[in-house]
Amino acid sequence: DIQLTQSPSFLSASVGDRVTITCRASQGISSYLAWYQQKPGKAPKLLIYAASTLQSGVPSRFSGSGSGTEFTLTISSLQPEDFATYYCQQLNSYLLYTFGQGTKLEIK
Amino acid sequence: EVQLVESGGGLVQPGGSLRLSCAASGFTFSSYWMHWVRQAPGKGLVWVSRINSDGSSTSYADSVKGRFTISRDNAKNTLYLQMNSLRAEDTAVYYCARDRGYSYGFGYWGQGTLVTVSS
Repeated sequence: DIQLTQSPSFLSASVGDRVTITCRASQGISSYLAWYQQKPGKAPKLLIYAASTLQSGVPSRFSGSGSGTEFTLTISSLQPEDFATYYCQQLNSYLLYTFGQGTKLEIK
Repeated sequence: EVQLVESGGGLVQPGGSLRLSCAASGFTFSSYWMHWVRQAPGKGLVWVSRINSDGSSTSYADSVKGRFTISRDNAKNTLYLQMNSLRAEDTAVYYCARDRGYSYGFGYWGQGTLVTVSS
């Protein structure tokens, strides 16, 4: 089974900061990776799919990159509404989908 | 507007059963693969199960294989998750989600329904 490891698990940052979250896959998954944002008590929201394609309506300060086993989610200038938990997900196999353990982004 | 509304959650004893439903509207339900994803209190997202558009193909996480069954009724625009032999570790909010297709992620999610397994 493919495992996803996100780093860091916790991140403290300030409004206006540039932040990067990394997701590493235990084996190659091409570009079959998605990123989600989840706020407390809410359902996850798709931000990026196919590793680097922005979902419609998502602000352009979010970007994704990578392929194979290493991927990154970058927020270019943090806004107050961006403080949330972020998850990566691999969709390389239609038999088994996996999420990373999550990265909680907190206000410094 | 795409809407996914889960129902059927509640308190159940260990070893018991529960059936979750997800009512879909605002899109052609029969054209999309659907998923169940769960989240234990204070924990991360865990994919549970997937069904293809006509219900002929399913897959499950190892943790629920043999105990949970995903199904759908395209005439009723409804997705189901039959959960048997429930354990304390199945306690979670269960979300249904619509697949975007082409391995592009889950574009729409319901609000979730809480399942609590406890005596």
